[in-house]
Amino acid sequence: GAVVSQHPSWVICKSGTSVKIECRSLDFQATTMFWYRQFPKQSLMLMATSNEGSKATYEQGVEKDKFLINHASLTLSTLTVTSAHPEDSSFYICSARGDSEQYFGPGTRLTVT
Amino acid sequence: QKEVEQDPGPLSVPEGAIVSLNCTYSNSAFQYFMWYRQYSRKGPELLMYTYSSGNKEDGRFTAQVDKSSKYISLFIRDSQPSDSATYLCAMSPAEGNTPLVFGKGTRLSVIA
Repeated sequence: GAVVSQHPSWVICKSGTSVKIECRSLDFQATTMFWYRQFPKQSLMLMATSNEGSKATYEQGVEKDKFLINHASLTLSTLTVTSAHPEDSSFYICSARGDSEQYFGPGTRLTVT
Repeated sequence: QKEVEQDPGPLSVPEGAIVSLNCTYSNSAFQYFMWYRQYSRKGPELLMYTYSSGNKEDGRFTAQVDKSSKYISLFIRDSQPSDSATYLCAMSPAEGNTPLVFGKGTRLSVIA
């Protein structure tokens, strides 16, 4: 199947700092990528839909000024968590949709201290 | 009523058992159905993809879709301890840019 990578796989940062997470589709072009967060033992929660060359579409309740998404190319989308707080600590997962199937990255574990 | 319902389990079975996982949904527009397996602290891995109604088999895994009943299933034959994971069903009405709607996931443990 198609491969989606994420970097970093885990990060620890201090409150008030910003963290950037990269999501890349390695062997296919993705005009659309999705960002999810997942709390322990819970399902995936869609945060936003990232469209190449245009603004992201955020789900209700997700602060667009806090979670900045940039989809600069057909293979790269980035999520920047600005002014991170401990409650932002979570598992962030991106996905990219090929022709039909949707493939997920391995996830990034963010811990804000 | 949630769009996609999935029993969270946990489900515990002995090695070699046949496992049946299922989801129900309410949106009749759903056409694309997927099953993902997620190990702890990892991203979901696509297991099966089905369009519309019918069955699909891949090794020990069989996916079934019954659109008339709005019910999908994943069967795992000869279950192995390595199958222990959370299984998520997902579906969408269209291809391309439409986000998937996920079930909550079922935690499966296969005991050796």
